[in-house]
Amino acid sequence: ETGVTQSPTHLIKTRGQQVTLRCSSQSGHNTVSWYQQALGQGPQFIFQYYREEENGRGNFPPRFSGLQFPNYSSELNVNALELDDSALYLCASSLAPTSTDTQYFGPGTRLTVL
Amino acid sequence: AQSVTQLDSQVPVFEEAPVELRCNYSSSVSVYLFWYVQYPNQGLQLLLKYLSGSTLVKGINGFEAEFNKSQTSFHLRKPSVHISDTAEYFCAVIVSGGYNKLIFGAGTRLAVHP
Repeated sequence: ETGVTQSPTHLIKTRGQQVTLRCSSQSGHNTVSWYQQALGQGPQFIFQYYREEENGRGNFPPRFSGLQFPNYSSELNVNALELDDSALYLCASSLAPTSTDTQYFGPGTRLTVL
Repeated sequence: AQSVTQLDSQVPVFEEAPVELRCNYSSSVSVYLFWYVQYPNQGLQLLLKYLSGSTLVKGINGFEAEFNKSQTSFHLRKPSVHISDTAEYFCAVIVSGGYNKLIFGAGTRLAVHP
């Protein structure tokens, strides 16, 4: 069984650019959540997708957007990059979005904004 | 709103010594509780979770945690640590009955010395 995978592993962008991060969910999982982990901090919830629809959103501006595909893989898009967007972006998948369903995390994408 | 406080940012300990990583949470509604571990340059791995039932929860790698509702705590313990336990540990909550949005603490860095 393949776990959660993310691409790319590392990424360097400059301020004002746009970036797309990708996540493949674990087999059989229809729910994907995205988290931002700044250096030295705990992960912060960005949003969640369930069956191709946004199911919940954290306190992030609209320039953070996402997408989920019919195979339940997902993308995180960030427009107009700012220096503070530099972080580790984690994707997690689960069987369903209910509060008792365990989330399984990918290895993350390290984004550096210069 | 819910919040998680990890009382120690760093915990140094010698190999084979016992360790306790402290976690307190604040919530006006019922929550489920989790501990995740993050090894260097990796994503998060679930150590254990409390949903209901016995307040003493056993997890992987010899870790256990005890849920104390009156003190709103969920401290993580291991009777004898190994060098390989060196990692960042995150305590997290999910509101029961909602969707599985994890709210994390800032993390505790466990450093095991020979």
